[in-house]
Amino acid sequence: GAVVSQHPSRVICKSGTSVKIECRSLDFQATTMFWYRQFPKQSLMLMATSNEGSKATYEQGVEKDKFLINHASLTLSTLTVTSAHPEDSSFYICSASPGDSYNEQFFGPGTRLTVL
Amino acid sequence: AQSVTQPDIHITVSEGASLELRCNYSYGATPYLFWYVQSPGQGLQLLLKYFSGDTLVQGIKGFEAEFKRSQSSFNLRKPSVHWSDAAEYFCAVGPPGGKLQFGAGTQVVVTP
Repeated sequence: GAVVSQHPSRVICKSGTSVKIECRSLDFQATTMFWYRQFPKQSLMLMATSNEGSKATYEQGVEKDKFLINHASLTLSTLTVTSAHPEDSSFYICSASPGDSYNEQFFGPGTRLTVL
Repeated sequence: AQSVTQPDIHITVSEGASLELRCNYSYGATPYLFWYVQSPGQGLQLLLKYFSGDTLVQGIKGFEAEFKRSQSSFNLRKPSVHWSDAAEYFCAVGPPGGKLQFGAGTQVVVTP
């Protein structure tokens, strides 16, 4: 149980295009989902917290207009990187919490984004 | 403010030897503490967690961790490592109902 999937696992795009990453909780309902960014050999940095049906809460320094987050259902959250640039290249990881144990987050396998 | 320190960036250990990864935290009350493992190019897998109760916590894959309030530590241990334990290990802390703060991670290399 408690499986979280991400799609795609890898994506390469041209500079200036937008990329959408999906995060799904496969066997539980996730009232809260989190999006992290991880640079090579570094720790996870929380980008935003999203609750189903409401606007995401972004961490300081994260551009909400560039990283659009939608949490339209209890099993799906999406992160759209708009007008991507090479500096957006990173490993993006989502996690989901069932809400009955807020601090227990189940992590997806991550998405490697490369912007050319 | 909460923070997590993993003093060791990189540890090399021989297969079959014991392993201990250090984690120190800063938080005003009793935190929720976690250890995660990440294999290259993968997401994070929860090894164990501490919320309350017995300060020695057993996890998966033969790992255990001990919460020491006096030292603000939550060190991870394994008596005998296997080659498959080579990975990145992250300690994380979070208050009840709050967000997780991750340490910088410790890279574990296992030699034959």
